[in-house]
Amino acid sequence: DTEVTQTPKHLVMGMTNKKSLKCEQHMGHRAMYWYKQKAKKPPELMFVYSYEKLSINESVPSRFSPECPNSSLLNLHLHALQPEDSALYLCASSQDRDSRQYFGPGTRLTVL
Amino acid sequence: GESVGLHLPTLSVQEGDNSIINCAYSNSASDYFIWYKQESGKGPQFIIDIRSNMDKRQGQRVTVLLNKTVKHLSLQIAATQPGDSAVYFCAENNSGGSNYKLTFGKGTLLTVNP
Repeated sequence: DTEVTQTPKHLVMGMTNKKSLKCEQHMGHRAMYWYKQKAKKPPELMFVYSYEKLSINESVPSRFSPECPNSSLLNLHLHALQPEDSALYLCASSQDRDSRQYFGPGTRLTVL
Repeated sequence: GESVGLHLPTLSVQEGDNSIINCAYSNSASDYFIWYKQESGKGPQFIIDIRSNMDKRQGQRVTVLLNKTVKHLSLQIAATQPGDSAVYFCAENNSGGSNYKLTFGKGTLLTVNP
């Protein structure tokens, strides 16, 4: 199984809502990532978890809160988002820090 | 090919032709490079990778060339097919660094005309 899955595929939320994005992999990878991608732009790294510990936070606003409940799961909790946060949110995983990252299909988020 | 700028570089080829997509990377300490393909509405898909101790690597219909002297990476696609139409990103990583960060290039939109 070389797949990273993400749910939901699409999400529309208001600025006062709280929602969560979910990511799962069963490849035994110990690093998991959240990226944000705007249209016609490359993915931008948000967070990195290594061995279930937060390793990198790329100065992401606190309205985005990551969580890694176990080595297979990665969540991104969303609260009080802004319309400019609308984007494709991608999850990825890798065996370790210098190996290929496998990406999920993404969650298309729209903030109204 | 890739370039710094506001617009997504584009490459248009005829079906059956060979395609070459270029990428200039920024960090001389980068030692691992990946090419990803991203189709509309999908996540990036791994195509091929190369480490800095190599200057060429071949896959199925794809070849990656690495020139460390001028910090240049290229992706060659042989006999390009309509299904190859997508945005192609190069990405660089410094595995000797203390982080897991992949730095992506701007991307190139490849359009294959039947």
